[in-house]
Amino acid sequence: DQQVKQNSPSLSVQEGRISILNCDYTNSMFDYFLWYKKYPAEGPTFLISISSIKDKNEDGRFTVFLNKSAKHLSLHIVPSQPGDSAVYFCAAKEWGFGNEKLTFGTGTRLTIIP
Amino acid sequence: DGGITQSPKYLFRKEGQNVTLSCEQNLNHDAMYWYRQDPGQGLRLIYYSQIVNDFQKGDIAEGYSVSREKKESFPLTVTSAQKNPTAFYLCASSVPTGANVLTFGAGSRLTVL
Repeated sequence: DQQVKQNSPSLSVQEGRISILNCDYTNSMFDYFLWYKKYPAEGPTFLISISSIKDKNEDGRFTVFLNKSAKHLSLHIVPSQPGDSAVYFCAAKEWGFGNEKLTFGTGTRLTIIP
Repeated sequence: DGGITQSPKYLFRKEGQNVTLSCEQNLNHDAMYWYRQDPGQGLRLIYYSQIVNDFQKGDIAEGYSVSREKKESFPLTVTSAQKNPTAFYLCASSVPTGANVLTFGAGSRLTVL
């Protein structure tokens, strides 16, 4: 049962344009959502998070939008740069003590075209 | 610099052999985790530990074992009972508050010959 879904395995975007990565979830008990970036043969690095009580969080070129009614979130990268080419994972944490583990999606490979 | 060290980076094992992956952190984090990455399947949780001498099974614990005798260390043993052990293994740690941002190590790639 995939509680966090990233339905697009890959995405290609021209350098300088906006990259939009999408994520859907099924568990209403998630209280935080996170985005990670991963290069091959390396560990994921944290990008940005959002609490379920917010609908937007921004950090530099990265903005995450949360639509709770649709159980959908998206990561916007503006402007896209060649170094953004990586696999992006959406993750979620369930609220409550003892539920600190993160559930990850399957990832979207982003390729920025120069 | 604080961080997570995983070793070895690459490991080859014959079928039927147990192998232990090392994970050490100097971030003073209470919680530690082991995830496995396979192509097209994202990161799946194997085991996690929120405190020394205690750990819980994740979604795919069968064929794996862990110990947490020290706060800094969380080794993972891949036993011969694990049917498909070839994968990229990632260790992480966190201070389990708020969004519980995990800090990951660089990973260990295990190949079973």
